[in-house]
Amino acid sequence: DTGVSQDPRHKITKRGQNVTFRCDPISEHNRLYWYRQTLGQGPEFLTYFQNEAQLEKSRLLSNRFSAERPKGSFSTLEIQRTEQGDSAMYLCASSPPPGTSTDTQYFGPGTRLTVL
Amino acid sequence: AQTVTQSQPEMSVQEAETVTLSCTYDTSESNYYLFWYKQPPSRQMILVIRQEAYKQQNATENRFSVNFQKAAKSFSLKISDSQLGDTAMYFCAFMKPTNAGKSTFGDGTTLTVKP
Repeated sequence: DTGVSQDPRHKITKRGQNVTFRCDPISEHNRLYWYRQTLGQGPEFLTYFQNEAQLEKSRLLSNRFSAERPKGSFSTLEIQRTEQGDSAMYLCASSPPPGTSTDTQYFGPGTRLTVL
Repeated sequence: AQTVTQSQPEMSVQEAETVTLSCTYDTSESNYYLFWYKQPPSRQMILVIRQEAYKQQNATENRFSVNFQKAAKSFSLKISDSQLGDTAMYFCAFMKPTNAGKSTFGDGTTLTVKP
């Protein structure tokens, strides 16, 4: 079990540029979540996938944000035309299928985005 | 919508002593899960302990235990025999099993264990 991995771990970009982050969940987990965490606050839910289907999106996810999980395995989160307010830690989490013995989410190390 | 409140932004404790972190939540649901997560300075979130609302018995994991008061909507974390490695930010989280499994987090408590 290699855990949830995220790439890159750090990204510095200039305002107006596009960025893309990748998340690889634990292999047998079919549910995948993206959260955003700013300094001094808890994670805020952004979006949720079950297999390849994006089932829920937060109102925090503006139209500049898009997430995909094309084959139900890894996921990407893209931010277009980045703004300084997008600077945050972006966390990915995965969990086993519904109805299994646990609904626990397992988090990755996160991607820290800095927009200059 | 659910809310989770952690009223202690920072706490400190001497090594080997016991500390309790507070968490309250607001929900109209009867079935849900509560979690405590630890986020060390390296920032990877780690699950500390989990409680199902339908279980009256408080969860324990080694030095970590909770005091779950469902009527009061309170879910505190007790850390016994504190160790330097317990220094981290601790987040309380709420999850409805029917709500796609997404969690609502409090703003965290920064715990410092002093030698």
